Amino acid sequence: EVQLLDSGGGLVPRGGSLRLSCAASGFTFSDFAMAWVRQAPGKGLEWVSVISGSGKTTDYTESVKGRFTISRDNSKGTLSLQMSSLRPEDTARYFCAKRCSSSKCYKAFDFWGQGTLVAVSS
Amino acid sequence: QSVLTQPASVSGAPGQTVTISCIGADSNIGAGYDVHWYQHLPGTAPKLLIYGNINRPSGVPDRFSGSKSGTSASLAISGLQADDEADYYCQSYDRTLTAYVFGSGTEVTV
Repeated sequence: EVQLLDSGGGLVPRGGSLRLSCAASGFTFSDFAMAWVRQAPGKGLEWVSVISGSGKTTDYTESVKGRFTISRDNSKGTLSLQMSSLRPEDTARYFCAKRCSSSKCYKAFDFWGQGTLVAVSS
Repeated sequence: QSVLTQPASVSGAPGQTVTISCIGADSNIGAGYDVHWYQHLPGTAPKLLIYGNINRPSGVPDRFSGSKSGTSASLAISGLQADDEADYYCQSYDRTLTAYVFGSGTEVTV
């Protein structure tokens, strides 16, 4: 059974830093790209970042480029998101998600964590 | 503002059918990228409901169906049930933004 356990959220001041983690199990972690998706209070889902299975390729939504860094440790089955220069608009629940690999579900996210809450005070 | 446009809310009586539209553009849905749909109850993990425009993951009832045409897609829920009350999101990829894009979300009320 695929399981994704998000952790690391909390309350931080504007300009602060935070590191989110996602512990994965139930599948061959290194075979799949992983992503972070967030949901601000009262808003919809927003893709934040994605990393390839090998970790060699990453991509970010424009608003977090230069401030957030996605990484993974395939030996431990963990995904991370290092967030710095945090802004109040980064306040959201952050979900880690496994990207589907087959051609039929290409670029879909087939399993998600429960999310971890990040609050940035102004 | 979301790249993919959905109605804010739809409602229906138990047993009825509701349809949720997802309107995109030539740079995403119209460019041939697949549309995927998620069901989300606040505070829980989003669930993949439809992938590749029309396909259901194992365990998703056939009351849920997807379609795609041109620059838009739709999710239909037939035989509406109380536990279908949730937020529903469409998702695709945009080649101009080079980003995964989600719809604005639709709240379904039964």
